[in-house]
Amino acid sequence: DSGVTQTPKHLITATGQRVTLRCSPRSGDLSVYWYQQSLDQGLQFLIQYYNGEERAKGNILERFSAQQFPDLHSELNLSSLELGDSALYFCASSYGSGGYEQYFGPGTRLTVT
Amino acid sequence: ILNVEQSPQSLHVQEGDSTNFTCSFPSSNFYALHWYRWETAKSPEALFVMTLNGDEKKKGRISATLNTKEGYSYLYIKGSQPEDSATYLCASTGGQNFVFGPGTRLSVLP
Repeated sequence: DSGVTQTPKHLITATGQRVTLRCSPRSGDLSVYWYQQSLDQGLQFLIQYYNGEERAKGNILERFSAQQFPDLHSELNLSSLELGDSALYFCASSYGSGGYEQYFGPGTRLTVT
Repeated sequence: ILNVEQSPQSLHVQEGDSTNFTCSFPSSNFYALHWYRWETAKSPEALFVMTLNGDEKKKGRISATLNTKEGYSYLYIKGSQPEDSATYLCASTGGQNFVFGPGTRLSVLP
């Protein structure tokens, strides 16, 4: 158990819908990272927040957005969902940024039908 | 955008064998190199983070080295055990991005 929690564990929704994935980092960690793992692809970095501020941005679609709240939990919002958004979404946390070990949550499996 | 490569793609070794894999990354704009161990149906587990050229890290039977000038890192496993079977991922951070390699899938046969 890494200490990072993600909810929900599974999510099934229809195309065009909007969902919110939630992540609570390990106690004391200030950074939260979001990653996507699609069926035929490796891990893709989406976005990083550090202490409430966006720190780095990867291959995140405009339909996706994220935020980190004052209590340091983070939410990833996915809107206008398409079939291709079906994937495993991981959240990870670390104390600092970049050069610190990242601890991964169990992931949220999103299925868009 | 960084391009991180790993070799070999997969590897089968006998229990007790020692083995190593390679991670190649662009040496320009480098900040840190991460290694992860990823078992099927689980989440990636951090093994090492290295930032300095010449860094060597060790955790039990697993160790890693880093060459930032030529853009590669080696992961070594000494005396492989069946429980070492997993996918080993490296990720390079540089600038505003984190890029993972495709992984090396290791199978240790008893």
